[in-house]
Amino acid sequence: NAGVTQTPKFQVLKTGQSMTLQCAQDMNHNSMYWYRQDPGMGLRLIYYSASEGTTDKGEVPNGYNVSRLNKREFSLRLESAAPSQTSVYFCASSESLAGEKLFFGSGTQLSVL
Amino acid sequence: KQEVTQIPAALSVPEGENLVLNCSFTDSAIYNLQWFRQDPGKGLTSLLLIQSSQREQTSGRLNASLDKSSGRSTLYIAASQPGDSATYLCAVRPYGNNRLAFGKGNQVVVIP
Repeated sequence: NAGVTQTPKFQVLKTGQSMTLQCAQDMNHNSMYWYRQDPGMGLRLIYYSASEGTTDKGEVPNGYNVSRLNKREFSLRLESAAPSQTSVYFCASSESLAGEKLFFGSGTQLSVL
Repeated sequence: KQEVTQIPAALSVPEGENLVLNCSFTDSAIYNLQWFRQDPGKGLTSLLLIQSSQREQTSGRLNASLDKSSGRSTLYIAASQPGDSATYLCAVRPYGNNRLAFGKGNQVVVIP
């Protein structure tokens, strides 16, 4: 019962470095999401993919890019990391955008020095 | 813009007491409301999902109600246990918007 799997769990970057966060789900869900969670700010949507082949910006997309590689996988890329991107990142999936339950991965704790 | 508020931010209750957590939202035009649980260092787990046409949902010791007109939802946990210690978040999906709006959560500690 893997559900939503994120890698890595922890990462430390220097300012200006790039990295890709990986996410895969095994529930045959159509929709996938990337959130960041910051103290005092709550969860904020970065990007989402309604279905394979589509991606859309969320609330805080600046500094990020995404790729919906196939139905299972949705990756988040930081091209030039900044200290403001220090956060906990969560990938999530749902059957569709229409309002089913959201299933979350266990998160990636990212520190940018 | 939809705003979701959960007050208080943190609370402690003795084991065995019933827990009542409140969530309020500013715009009643929603598809649904979802309650999540988050343990430290973990992701969110969906507990209950209430569609806009429903008044409540139940799962075991958990009951969630929804009053759309007043913009409120309540999560009720009966006979709390130390294992219920966690942060509970509510989120609403507004009409015409693919983005869930999350509250900041209630951090709950159940004291043995």
